[in-house]
Amino acid sequence: SQQGEEDPQALSIQEGENATMNCSYKTSINNLQWYRQNSGRGLVHLILIRSNEREKHSGRLRVTLDTSKKSSSLLITASRAADTASYFCATDDAGGTSYGKLTFGQGTILTVHP
Amino acid sequence: SAVISQKPSRDICQRGTSLTIQCQVDSQVTMMFWYRQQPGQSLTLIATANQGSEATYESGFVIDKFPISRPNLTFSTLTVSNMSPEDSSIYLCSATWGYNSPLHFGNGTRLTVT
Repeated sequence: SQQGEEDPQALSIQEGENATMNCSYKTSINNLQWYRQNSGRGLVHLILIRSNEREKHSGRLRVTLDTSKKSSSLLITASRAADTASYFCATDDAGGTSYGKLTFGQGTILTVHP
Repeated sequence: SAVISQKPSRDICQRGTSLTIQCQVDSQVTMMFWYRQQPGQSLTLIATANQGSEATYESGFVIDKFPISRPNLTFSTLTVSNMSPEDSSIYLCSATWGYNSPLHFGNGTRLTVT
């Protein structure tokens, strides 16, 4: 079953603007991960943030995690047309029988206009 | 990062037939998973491919319909059996090397059943 809910479902911005996507989840987690998918191809891992971390950066990406609110956000700064893709959050749920088994959110479709 | 090769990349199949998808990882991995992504949807976990033993299926997926093999630590197959048009989806192989490590994905197999 789907745990994550993402909003917005779709986001359209101009090149150079920032894009923020939000993810909420329901159960305790080991970590939360963000992925990008271009045109129905395989997913590319962006950032993994552990349950005891609050913020993480990677290049133009910034991820926050609030375990008390069971939510996370992904910020892409100074967006580029090449950032156009679907973005998914995924949780590695705590208490499971194995690790690495991710539950994906519904995704946000980001369109960056040149 | 790991290279995960998945084939075929796409196929068009007749209803009632079966298709086997192969997934090869360029190094030994601990966990391998198979996901399905229906058109315009998020990813749903089909099963965990266990090395040398029967796969662990998620609710709604059964071995007779989606038999999975994992003979060693670098290779797995997923068969979609007795296909119907509802099986038209992207099937994605993924792997991870350890706890709190990201998932790496193959490029997926786009299956169309007519």
